[in-house]
Amino acid sequence: KNEVEQSPQNLTAQEGEFITINCSYSVGISALHWLQQHPGGGIVSLFMLSSGKKKHGRLIATINIQEKHSSLHITASHPRDSAVYICAAVRMNYGGSQGNLIFGKGTKLSVKP
Amino acid sequence: EPEVTQTPSHQVTQMGQEVILRCVPISNHLYFYWYRQILGQKVEFLVSFYNNEISEKSEIFDDQFSVERPDGSNFTLKIRSTKLEDSAMYFCASSLRLMTEAFFGQGTRLTVV
Repeated sequence: KNEVEQSPQNLTAQEGEFITINCSYSVGISALHWLQQHPGGGIVSLFMLSSGKKKHGRLIATINIQEKHSSLHITASHPRDSAVYICAAVRMNYGGSQGNLIFGKGTKLSVKP
Repeated sequence: EPEVTQTPSHQVTQMGQEVILRCVPISNHLYFYWYRQILGQKVEFLVSFYNNEISEKSEIFDDQFSVERPDGSNFTLKIRSTKLEDSAMYFCASSLRLMTEAFFGQGTRLTVV
């Protein structure tokens, strides 16, 4: 079983729609990243959050530590939002002193004009 | 805006050859990471590096891999004797502190033939 699960795997939306991508994790984490990967392959960090909610433009990320769940929302979606969105958990190892990222498989978003 | 720079963007090498992938992290960052993404699969953690030594590594990071920070600005990943299955996109990332946001480079696509 993957330690970080994302849903849906693929998502097609019409321009203007509100989009939600979900991420659940099964390990202890200190924080969670939302990343965007464009077709060329490059990765851009959108958010890192450890509690509550963060907003940047049309993007909103929330996390519920107790439920081990995070969501990424895109309001008023646009074709340029088309990309793969990846959730990555910052794992605390047993010693609690170091961490590395555990990645979800990504959600491929396609926004049609 | 500061960014993580990786070179080359694409490298083709023959099986058995050594390759060095180069990264210039953001200048005041202290933690450095390598990740890889095999085509069609999720991103995987390879290694983290701090204070001139490896702080954590995954099972993938075997004796064929090594990392180095040779001159205080570059951060390199060396694969000693490449195998076909090493073909992947390799991402470098850096962060200011341990649990702060990681910034990714654009990746190096390694093709082993």
